[in-house]
Amino acid sequence: GAGVSQSPSNKVTEKGKDVELRCDPISGHTALYWYRQSLGQGLEFLIYFQGNSAPDKSGLPSDRFSAERTGGSVSTLTIQRTQQEDSAVYLCASSLAHRGNNYGYTFGSGTRLTVV
Amino acid sequence: RKEVEQDPGPFNVPEGATVAFNCTYSNSASQSFFWYRQDCRKEPKLLMSVYSSGNEDGRFTAQLNRASQYISLLIRDSKLSDSATYLCVVRDYGGSQGNLIFGKGTKLSVKP
Repeated sequence: GAGVSQSPSNKVTEKGKDVELRCDPISGHTALYWYRQSLGQGLEFLIYFQGNSAPDKSGLPSDRFSAERTGGSVSTLTIQRTQQEDSAVYLCASSLAHRGNNYGYTFGSGTRLTVV
Repeated sequence: RKEVEQDPGPFNVPEGATVAFNCTYSNSASQSFFWYRQDCRKEPKLLMSVYSSGNEDGRFTAQLNRASQYISLLIRDSKLSDSATYLCVVRDYGGSQGNLIFGKGTKLSVKP
């Protein structure tokens, strides 16, 4: 597609429920990233995927968070047993490559998650 | 020490003013540097990359000082549409394996 597409754009869920957030990167972009941004805060790295390599999960805040990327394209971020502190905007980005380049990322418009 | 530090502002300036933002980064091994712009309730968008020799894009000039681990962004002849939060971004080749590390941003408000 022309840009990074994320769905849903807004999600309100009850505490304790599981949620799935979807990201469809720019076609041909091999690197895909998930970040989250809490109100008034900076972007917090969660996880990245590069081609067929094992993902870097070093930013995931707890084992309730997981992500997968199927076929090197679409990615799903899953949050199990959501807590109120999970409320944030979850941003997905993609890039032509990862290391050794000066490419920036292109972000999707994000999913605003509210846990009530 | 935070990896990327910025003055949060806000910087309130009149139209036509020149304004400068500064940023410091902690990882001396960082190799790539960027400025992103984020409008309220929108996603960040790449404004410009920052090169070692400094670079200019229209009214925007970016400078890098590797010795001091310092990056700057200068906006000349500011417009109302420049009002946004400006994020200093560093590619970290340390523990996070080359991911982009974002500062919390500097808020700019340009007034008529």
